[in-house]
Amino acid sequence: DSGVTQTPKHLITATGQRVTLRCSPRSGDLSVYWYQQSLDQGLQFLIQYYNGEERAKGNILERFSAQQFPDLHSELNLSSLELGDSALYFCASSVEDRNTEAFFGQGTRLTVV
Amino acid sequence: GQNIDQPTEMTATEGAIVQINCTYQTSGFNGLFWYQQHAGEAPTFLSYNVLDGLEEKGRFSSFLSRSKGYSYLLLKELQMKDSASYLCAVEDYKLSFGAGTTVTVRA
Repeated sequence: DSGVTQTPKHLITATGQRVTLRCSPRSGDLSVYWYQQSLDQGLQFLIQYYNGEERAKGNILERFSAQQFPDLHSELNLSSLELGDSALYFCASSVEDRNTEAFFGQGTRLTVV
Repeated sequence: GQNIDQPTEMTATEGAIVQINCTYQTSGFNGLFWYQQHAGEAPTFLSYNVLDGLEEKGRFSSFLSRSKGYSYLLLKELQMKDSASYLCAVEDYKLSFGAGTTVTVRA
């Protein structure tokens, strides 16, 4: 157990819908990272927050957004869902503003039908 | 842009040694990570190289040559539980992952 908690573990939804994925980082970690892993794309960095502020952005679609709250948990919002958004979404956390020793949660498997 | 290459698959026998190579061309470099990922599970941190040379951690070792844009992960005394995907990742302001190498350990 990495100490990073993601909910829900599985999510099935229809195209066009909106979902919210939640991540609670390890105690004491200030950075949260979101990744998308699909079969044809591998693990892709989406976005990073550090202590409530957006720190870095990867190939995140405009339909996707995220935020980190004062208690440091983070949410990833996915809207106007398409079939191609079906993937595993991982959250990772680290103490510092860098990926050193980042720990991954178990992921949320999103299926868009 | 980021370009990180590693072999797609490797097969080895229990007790043997396997070396997974990773070459990279990236716009920035702060360090190189290796992660292990079992199917459907979270990636697990294995090693982190910042400077050139070999880092040894039990049965796993990782090597880095920054001038050559090259790293390898060495897995010794292979066990069945080592069957997994091994991900090479380069850090600049973010982590960029290779597609992963699926290692199958056979009895």
